[in-house]
Amino acid sequence: QQQVKQSPQSLIVQKGGISIINCAYENTAFDYFPWYQQFPGKGPALLIAIRPDVSEKKEGRFTISFNKSAKQFSLHIMDSQPGDSATYFCAANYTGGFKTIFGAGTRLFVKA
Amino acid sequence: AGVTQTPKFRVLKTGQSMTLLCAQDMNHEYMYWYRQDPGHGLRLIHYSYGVKDTDKGEVSDGYSVSRSKTEDFLLTLESATSSQTSVYFCASSQNPLQPQHFGDGTRLSIL
Repeated sequence: QQQVKQSPQSLIVQKGGISIINCAYENTAFDYFPWYQQFPGKGPALLIAIRPDVSEKKEGRFTISFNKSAKQFSLHIMDSQPGDSATYFCAANYTGGFKTIFGAGTRLFVKA
Repeated sequence: AGVTQTPKFRVLKTGQSMTLLCAQDMNHEYMYWYRQDPGHGLRLIHYSYGVKDTDKGEVSDGYSVSRSKTEDFLLTLESATSSQTSVYFCASSQNPLQPQHFGDGTRLSIL
C-alpha cells in the first residue's frame, strides 16, 4: 500500500516532442506528490510538486496532471530538449508522515 | 553549499566497517539516508527528525545512524557485505512535505 509504481523504465523522445511519465499509488492518505530530476553523478533535485486539490500544475515546459479518483499522476515535458535527458522520479508523502516514497525512476533520453 | 557528502567514492572489503558523513547548512530538522540501485529507485535506509531522534526506513538492516547536532547525519555500515554496494544519498528538508535537498552521493563498492 506504500508503493508508488512508475512507468516506463526508460523513454526515448525526439527533440521537440512530448515526454510522458506515469505514476500510480495505492495509499489514499498521500497528499503531496513531488517529481525529482536527477542528472548523472548528481543527487536528485525537486522539479515540480502537486497537492491533490488541483488536477494540473504547470511550470514552464513541465506539467503535472493528477487524477485523484484513479490514483494516478503524470509528468508531461513539452518541447523536450536534449538538456532534459535525465532520470525522473515521482514520489508521494502524506501530512504527518515522515517518509517520502519514491518510484523506481524513468531514464529519459531526448534525441537531438 | 547545501548538502555535502563525504567521501565521494570508496572501496571496502567484506566485513570492514565504514561511516559516511552528511552535513547540511540549511538548519533543516529532517535528514535522510537513501540507497540507489538500478530498478529500485531511492530506498530509505534511516531518517532523523531532530537531534538524537532517528528511525528506520525500509532497508535498515546492516546500517546504523547517529545525529549529534542539527547539521550532521552519519551512516555506519557495521560489517560490510557485497549487497551493500550502492550509491548512497543523503538529503535534508525543513519538514516532510517540503522539498528534499540531496547531496551528490557516495559511490560505495564492497569486494
